Amino acid sequence: DTGVSQNPRHKITKRGQNVTFRCDPISEHNRLYWYRQTLGQGPEFLTYFQNEAQLEKSRLLSDRFSAERPKGSFSTLEIQRTEQGDSAMYLCASSLSFNEQYFGPGTRLTVT
Amino acid sequence: GENVGLHLPTLSVQEGDNSIINCAYSNSASDYFIWYKQESGKGPQFIIDIRSNMDKRQGQRVTVLLNKTVKHLSLQIAATQPGDSAVYFCAENMGNTGFQKLVFGTGTRLLVSP
Repeated sequence: DTGVSQNPRHKITKRGQNVTFRCDPISEHNRLYWYRQTLGQGPEFLTYFQNEAQLEKSRLLSDRFSAERPKGSFSTLEIQRTEQGDSAMYLCASSLSFNEQYFGPGTRLTVT
Repeated sequence: GENVGLHLPTLSVQEGDNSIINCAYSNSASDYFIWYKQESGKGPQFIIDIRSNMDKRQGQRVTVLLNKTVKHLSLQIAATQPGDSAVYFCAENMGNTGFQKLVFGTGTRLLVSP
């Protein structure tokens, strides 16, 4: 399968814990995006990487959130001191330059 | 599975009918629009896109129409099949030059009865 992959698919954590998600984009795609989706809503943009550079961050991305793409390939999204309001689906997408974004299956985070 | 779109507008059609899903976008300067399909438990799947210099684009069984005057986008699905049942989102690009920052609409649930 050469699509976007995300791990884990599901994560249950207690409030206050740190979590990290991984995204592996389509191999030749130089652009990578993170989105968050809550029930009944469309995905909301969080951040964008071109190669290893993080070029745009949404105001939704509080100081507790950090994303990296160290070698311009896979990316990680870390949430520190999780809160119940962080419960959502975290989606990763990749694209080749200014072309359509292809989404992964998402990581469903539940904060108890 | 994932309960995507619990309280979304719903379009119910019979198998074989044509479906039209509508979307209003917000930014008159948006230059790129995409339709995505999202099935329960899955990420959004690209269907078709259109740039602002076009008013119509056709794919396999799908057509997207863009009316910039009223900031309206529609997705037409011909001969709708049960496998088309999903939530459909339109998205507009609000990014600056060379960067896509997609803003998604609220979505429409399409239910196809056999």
